[in-house]
Amino acid sequence: GENVEQHPSTLSVQEGDSAVIKCTYSDSASNYFPWYKQELGKRPQLIIDIRSNVGEKKDQRIAVTLNKTAKHFSLHITETQPEDSAVYFCAASGGYGAQKLVFGQGTRLTINP
Amino acid sequence: GAGVSQSPSNKVTEKGKDVELRCDPISGHTALYWYRQSLGQGLEFLIYFQGNSAPDKSGLPSDRFSAERTGGSVSTLTIQRTQQEDSAVYLCASSLLQPPNTEAFFGQGTRLTVV
Repeated sequence: GENVEQHPSTLSVQEGDSAVIKCTYSDSASNYFPWYKQELGKRPQLIIDIRSNVGEKKDQRIAVTLNKTAKHFSLHITETQPEDSAVYFCAASGGYGAQKLVFGQGTRLTINP
Repeated sequence: GAGVSQSPSNKVTEKGKDVELRCDPISGHTALYWYRQSLGQGLEFLIYFQGNSAPDKSGLPSDRFSAERTGGSVSTLTIQRTQQEDSAVYLCASSLLQPPNTEAFFGQGTRLTVV
C-alpha cells in the first residue's frame, strides 16, 4: 500500500522567511496530494492540493510542487507570519478524488517573531 | 449540518470496557474515513467507506476495532475491551468522490482516554 514520508518533523523559521516541507510517496498510482494544516487543539483543514496532471499550484503565499517521476511533492510558504505556526500534514491517495488518504507524519512549523 | 460532527467530544473509560464513537458526515458525502491521532503524532488511517462498496479495513489495528456505516450516512467506530494504548483522538472525515470537489473535511474528533 501507499507510504508517505514527510520531512522535516520540526521546522523553525524567522518571520518573513520561507518554509519548505517535503514529502515522498511510494505508490506511482497516487494522483491526488493535499496538504492540511492543524492548529493546536483543532481539526486538520485543507490549505492546498494538487493533482498529478499539474506540476505546480500556487495560492497567495502558499505553493505546492509535484515531481511525479521522483514521487515527491513539496509545500512552500513564503513571507511567513506567526499565524502560520501549526502542524502541517501532507497526504497522498490513488484512484480519483480523496480516496483513502494516507498521511505523512507531520511537520511542526514554528515562526519566530 | 454544516460540517462533520463527532460525538462524544471526550470519553473517559475504564480499561476493558467497550466504547462507541459516532460520526455524522456532511450530508451527501459518499466517502467517510476514520483516523487515529495519538498525542503529538500523525494521522493513522483506520478504515474507509466509499459509497456502497465494501469498506477498506486495512488500517484497523486489531480485531477489537470495528466500524459500521448505516444508510450511507452515520458511522460508528466501536472499540471492544479497551486498552490504555487505545487512548488517542479519533478523527472522522468525509468527502465527495467526484473531482474537483474531493476535499476531505474533518470533524473535531473524539478524545478517548482509557484509564
